[in-house]
Amino acid sequence: SQQGEEDPQALSIQEGENATMNCSYKTSINNLQWYRQNSGRGLVHLILIRSNEREKHSGRLRVTLDTSKKSSSLLITASRAADTASYFCATDFGNEKLTFGTGTRLTIIP
Amino acid sequence: DTAVSQTPKYLVTQMGNDKSIKCEQNLGHDTMYWYKQDSKKFLKIMFSYNNKELIINETVPNRFSPKSPDKAHLNLHINSLELGDSAVYFCASSQRFGALPIYGYTFGSGTRLTVV
Repeated sequence: SQQGEEDPQALSIQEGENATMNCSYKTSINNLQWYRQNSGRGLVHLILIRSNEREKHSGRLRVTLDTSKKSSSLLITASRAADTASYFCATDFGNEKLTFGTGTRLTIIP
Repeated sequence: DTAVSQTPKYLVTQMGNDKSIKCEQNLGHDTMYWYKQDSKKFLKIMFSYNNKELIINETVPNRFSPKSPDKAHLNLHINSLELGDSAVYFCASSQRFGALPIYGYTFGSGTRLTVV
């Protein structure tokens, strides 16, 4: 299966702490994307990182990509209650479809 | 100003019925998709259309038939609904350069289908 896997499956932290989620995949990618899904809602695109990039930032989000280890991480700094959601990595192998991982359920405790 | 809109948001129907879900995007994207999210939150692609042309058809039963009248619309028709079809169906769109996305996908808010 080309599906990515997120780790951990669930994460609970105190508000203000940093949250780190990891994603591993099995075959070479063109790009990797991170999405957020709030309960009962659609997915929201957060960051796209291409295979020739190692790190990207967007506000409080930092994504790294290590193609040699076939892994990526999403760091959310200074977490807020509104960050409570499920986070998915999605891999694009250049075959015109995005394959989603299993997701990390993040809970921020006020 | 909704970028990708799906209707209906909820759909409850009996086994054996035929139903349709509509999707429209106003982003000018050239590619649209249907994804299915199961009860364990696993998302799987079903179909992809690029400029009204079917690009991806992922081992989906023939009871599912997508239709794209123009590049801004991608509808999903399901015949003879079964209990296992219960899921949340998401429409999405993207702008691609060749086989690769320029940006991330934009998703609709989903249609929760419940077959009873």
